[in-house]
Amino acid sequence: DTEVTQTPKHLVMGMTNKKSLKCEQHMGHRAMYWYKQKAKKPPELMFVYSYEKLSINESVPSRFSPECPNSSLLNLHLHALQPEDSALYLCASSQVNGAEAFFGQGTRLTVV
Amino acid sequence: GQSLEQPSEVTAVEGAIVQINCTYQTSGFYGLSWYQQHDGGAPTFLSYNGLDGLEETGRFSSFLSRSDSYGYLLLQELQMKDSASYFCAAGISGYSTLTFGKGTMLLVSP
Repeated sequence: DTEVTQTPKHLVMGMTNKKSLKCEQHMGHRAMYWYKQKAKKPPELMFVYSYEKLSINESVPSRFSPECPNSSLLNLHLHALQPEDSALYLCASSQVNGAEAFFGQGTRLTVV
Repeated sequence: GQSLEQPSEVTAVEGAIVQINCTYQTSGFYGLSWYQQHDGGAPTFLSYNGLDGLEETGRFSSFLSRSDSYGYLLLQELQMKDSASYFCAAGISGYSTLTFGKGTMLLVSP
């Protein structure tokens, strides 16, 4: 199984809403990532979990809150987002050396 | 810090060969990987170089020279479906992280 599953595929939320993005992998990878991608731009690293511990937080605003309940699951909790947070949010997993990452199909988020 | 430089756009015709270069400045560089992303889709893994030299996977090959901080992706027998963005990405020793270059848009014409 070389699949990373993300839900939902699309999400529209108001600036006062709370929502969560979910990601699941069953490849035994011990590193999981959240990326944000705007149109025509490269994926921008947000958070990295290594062995279920947060190892990298790229100065992401606190309205984004990651969670790694176990080695297969990764969540991103969203609260009080701004319209400029509208983007494609990608989850990925890899071996801990960062080689050969597998991406989910992403959640296209629109903040209204 | 880390930076990866690649050309913003490359054009080629069907059946041709194209090379997309990537130069990097990364402390603790571990390896270089390549990803393809079609419009509206997610990045998909193409190739990885942990050691110097050439890695071949079907029509795609990737090369790494650590002494030159340089790598490239070679695409042969180009097809229209190869039109996409291609990203190089660097891993760092001791960390689970993957930093992407700005991407190269490849346009394949008939």
